[in-house]
Formats: sequence, C-alpha cells, structure tokens
Amino acid sequence: EAQVTQNPRYLITVTGKKLTVTCSQNMNHEYMSWYRQDPGLGLRQIYYSMNVEVTDKGDVPEGYKVSRKEKRNFPLILESPSPNQTSLYFCASSTLRGLEQYFGPGTRLTVT
Amino acid sequence: KQEVTQIPAALSVPEGENLVLNCSFTDSAIYNLQWFRQDPGKGLTSLLLIQSSQREQTSGRLNASLDKSSGRSTLYIAASQPGDSATYLCAVTSTGTASKLTFGTGTRLQVTL
Repeated sequence: EAQVTQNPRYLITVTGKKLTVTCSQNMNHEYMSWYRQDPGLGLRQIYYSMNVEVTDKGDVPEGYKVSRKEKRNFPLILESPSPNQTSLYFCASSTLRGLEQYFGPGTRLTVT
Repeated sequence: KQEVTQIPAALSVPEGENLVLNCSFTDSAIYNLQWFRQDPGKGLTSLLLIQSSQREQTSGRLNASLDKSSGRSTLYIAASQPGDSATYLCAVTSTGTASKLTFGTGTRLQVTL
C-alpha cells in the first residue's frame, strides 16, 4: 500500500530538548516536504527536498532542520524546541511538480 | 505571494442537500489545484486534483471546477451525507515554487440528519 508514515504521532516534550520526527514514503517519490498546521493560519511549508541531498527552506523554516540522506526518508529535527513550535506537523511526498501530493497522518507536538 | 481564501469558513446543511464550497487564489500562475478532506485530528486525504489546463474533475458525488483566469475553484458535493462532515481544504501549486502547496484555511462542513 502506497503511504507516508510519520513517527511519533503524538509527542509532549520540554523546551530545549532536541527531538526528531521521522517521515518515510514507499512510493519512490523525489519530492518531500514538511508542513505545520496552526489554527487560523492553515498549513505552512517548513522545508522541502527535491531529491537526495537537495533541501531548501519553505515559508517558516526558523527553528527547524531537515536532512535527506535516503530517498524514502525525510526527518524533521528540532534542535532546541520552544513553545511556539507546538503544532500539528505533516509530511508530504509526490513525484515532480504538477502531480498529486500524499500526506502522512500527522504528528501532534506539544512543547511545554 | 500566492494567497488562498476559502469561503465560507463553516457551513451546516441538512442531509441530502447539494452544496458548493468556494476557493479563490490571487496568482493565476499555477500548476494545479488540489482539494483535500481533513477529519478532526487526522491527516489530509486528497479528493481531487485539477491540472492548470483542465476545467473540472469528478469523483463520485464530488465535482471540482477551476477557472484559472479568475482565480477561482469550486467543490460541488451532491446529495450530502453525515459522513461528508469534515474540513475541506483547497491548495494550489504555483509555478516556480517547486511543488509547494499554498493552502486556504478551510471550510468546516457539518451535515446534519
């Protein structure tokens, strides 16, 4: 089954404690991206990757890092989480532009 | 900068009604427009994808139209059912943005018995 998986699905952590949210897709997609969803602001892109070792900033990259060492995986790293990063995070993947994007189930992160 | 607006923000209809959700975008230079459904606390499910060269797409009781020149799309839901209750999101991929989706804030639909 074609899918995008994220782990963990729920995470509560404290300010400053480094964390990683994993994302994996089994569709051999070149393009992967991370979004955060906040009430009243909708979904906003954090980072994206067009292929292995090719990553770039989206609209709200501050406080986040990513890596793309393998085509199927695109982890999101929060080196020093802060309460304003409390949000619902989604990973997405697709083939090259113009085609349908597939989303993971989301990770709800709370930073206290 | 592309901006996407969805009206109304919330909508409540009785079961069986046909309804229309609206989406507008400010920059007509798009590759495609995608409609998603999001259930509370869940991920996004893709409903329909319209390429910029297309005028509409249909899937079952859903029909989405695209008028690129006026920056508008509509999602038509026929014979609504309680199971259609969810938030519907519209998103566009603009040219020159490397597949980035720009989302509207959604229309929260409730279909009542």
